[in-house]
Amino acid sequence: KAGVTQTPRYLIKTRGQQVTLSCSPISGHRSVSWYQQTPGQGLQFLFEYFSETQRNKGNFPGRFSGRQFSNSRSEMNVSTLELGDSALYLCASSLAGYSTGANVLTFGAGSRLTVL
Amino acid sequence: ELKVEQNPLFLSMQEGKNYTIYCNYSTTSDRLYWYRQDPGKSLESLFVLLSNGAVKQEGRLMASLDTKARLSTLHITAAVHDLSATYFCAVDIIEGGSQGNLIFGKGTKLSVKP
Repeated sequence: KAGVTQTPRYLIKTRGQQVTLSCSPISGHRSVSWYQQTPGQGLQFLFEYFSETQRNKGNFPGRFSGRQFSNSRSEMNVSTLELGDSALYLCASSLAGYSTGANVLTFGAGSRLTVL
Repeated sequence: ELKVEQNPLFLSMQEGKNYTIYCNYSTTSDRLYWYRQDPGKSLESLFVLLSNGAVKQEGRLMASLDTKARLSTLHITAAVHDLSATYFCAVDIIEGGSQGNLIFGKGTKLSVKP
C-alpha cells in the first residue's frame, strides 16, 4: 500500500515569506504528526492531529500551525519565515487512537525547506 | 524536562566487529522505539519495545529494554557496511490519550568501514 506522501519535497523561500507543506497519510491512518529535523536540534515534535483535532503541540512559536482534513490529510504552515526555519520537515502517520499498544509512526520522505 | 540521550553520537566501526549503542531516557515509559535513517532519506522503524525485559532481533541488530534503569541498547553483531546509517531511539509520551508525540534522541551516526 502507498506510504506517507509529502509535498513538495524541496522548496526555497526567503525570509518573511510563508510556506505550506502537505502530508497524505497511509490509508486508514487517522493520526498525523509533524517533526522538524535540523542538524543542531535533531528531531523535534511540532504537533499531532487526530480526527481533525490538534491533540498535542510541541514547543514551537505560533508561526507554526497545522490542520487536518476530514480525509486525514494534513497541512502545516509556517508564516514569517526565519533563517532558522531551514530544516527537513517530516510527517508521520499512525493508526492511533488511545491504546496500550505500540505507536509505530510511519514517516514520509520529508519536505526540505531552505530559507534564504 | 524529558530527555532522551544516546551515546555515542558518532561511531566508526570496522566490519566484523561488535558494538552497542545506548539510549537513556528520563521519564517513566515502557514504550521505546528504534529507527534508522539513511543519508537524505526518511526514518524507518526498526524495533518496538513495549515492556521491561523486551528483546527484539533482526539480522545483525538486537534491541533490549530495561525500564527500571530507563535504558535501551541496540547491539550490533559482526557489522557490515550496509548498516552504516544514523540510528535514533525514541520514547513514547502519552498525554491525555494523545499519540504521535515521540521524543527522539540526537541519533548515533554509525559508519562501518572495511
